Amino acid sequence: QKEVEQDPGPLSVPEGAIVSLNCTYSNSAFQYFMWYRQYSRKGPELLMYTYSSGNKEDGRFTAQVDKSSKYISLFIRDSQPSDSATYLCAMRYGGNTPLVFGKGTRLSVIA
Amino acid sequence: GAGVSQSPRYKVTKRGQDVTLRCDPISSHATLYWYQQALGQGPEFLTYFNYEAQPDKSGLPSDRFSAERPEGSISTLTIQRTEQRDSAMYRCGAGATNTGELFFGEGSRLTVL
Repeated sequence: QKEVEQDPGPLSVPEGAIVSLNCTYSNSAFQYFMWYRQYSRKGPELLMYTYSSGNKEDGRFTAQVDKSSKYISLFIRDSQPSDSATYLCAMRYGGNTPLVFGKGTRLSVIA
Repeated sequence: GAGVSQSPRYKVTKRGQDVTLRCDPISSHATLYWYQQALGQGPEFLTYFNYEAQPDKSGLPSDRFSAERPEGSISTLTIQRTEQRDSAMYRCGAGATNTGELFFGEGSRLTVL
């Protein structure tokens, strides 16, 4: 079992839908949680960053961390075709430790 | 992205040749990470630097892989005697020590024939 599990999809939704992306993890020592967006042939772009548990909202994006369940989520409201990309969850123990990535979920938002 | 430049963007080489990939964290972040990303997969950790120190190289798949960051800024990843299974995207990420954020470059795509 990998440290970080993420359903690779693909996930296809109509424009305007609410998208829910999730990752589970096995190691309770993870403290920092991130979501990256990766467009085709591009590098991962940091989208959301959360330290420890709780929610964080930025525009149409909300990140949730539930450390008791070892489960993180990214919600995208009013999804747009420009949101079509691969979304990677990532987490790390501390500031100077490697980021451990999920496989990524490929999302398509259809106009 | 966010001040990390990688070169070359694309490298095609023959099996058995050595290759060197370069990462320039333009904003001089303290920490610098190397990852390998296969098609359809998330990035896999190779090694990282805190300035010029290399505290963790546990992700390097074999002793053919090595990395340097002699002056704490630009880093190189060298693969000796390349094999076809080394074909992948190699990504460099940089960030500050006191936060968890990492910012990635565009990557170097290596193809070993």
